[in-house]
Amino acid sequence: NAGVTQTPKFRILKIGQSMTLQCTQDMNHNYMYWYRQDPGMGLKLIYYSVGAGITDKGEVPNGYNVSRSTTEDFPLRLELAAPSQTSVYFCASSPGNGELFFGEGSRLTVL
Amino acid sequence: KNEVEQSPQNLTAQEGEFITINCSYSVGISALHWLQQHPGGGIVSLFMLSSGKKKHGRLIATINIQEKHSSLHITASHPRDSAVYICAVRSLSYTGANSKLTFGKGITLSVRP
Repeated sequence: NAGVTQTPKFRILKIGQSMTLQCTQDMNHNYMYWYRQDPGMGLKLIYYSVGAGITDKGEVPNGYNVSRSTTEDFPLRLELAAPSQTSVYFCASSPGNGELFFGEGSRLTVL
Repeated sequence: KNEVEQSPQNLTAQEGEFITINCSYSVGISALHWLQQHPGGGIVSLFMLSSGKKKHGRLIATINIQEKHSSLHITASHPRDSAVYICAVRSLSYTGANSKLTFGKGITLSVRP
């Protein structure tokens, strides 16, 4: 099993551009999450999903959108990128018992 | 006051030393996680515990629910243990539909050879 796979690992965007961070898991987990990690801060939840077709906002959803058309995929869309979205983004999945499996992270810089 | 506090902020140790990293929290919880993040790398879950103690290899995690405190111990430390160690707590309001995890800022551990 590959676990949780995120792409791209690094990306530089200009202000106002849009992009999608991809996240795929091959463990058949129903629960998937997107977090952002800022320097000196704890991880913050952006969006989460409890199954295909179901998504909900976390603590910091503004400026982001998600979709969950399949159990495996949970892409995070950034519309009109802003410098405040410069961060490291982590996708995670869970079988529902509280255990978490994280991806390798995607480092995004908005200039 | 942050819901999750970790101490010390940074820690340097010599190879072979016994290391303790602490986590205190202020809310009622159903579980606590210890996570490891190597520089530039992904996050790996080390332990999830709700009571007592768990051991995996050279790592031991303990939790005292009454005192709202957890410790992560590393025995016979090695330079490859150098990483950021993050404590996260799952609040009692967790219903299974929302992973309401509150994360600490993490402790940076450096183990010198």
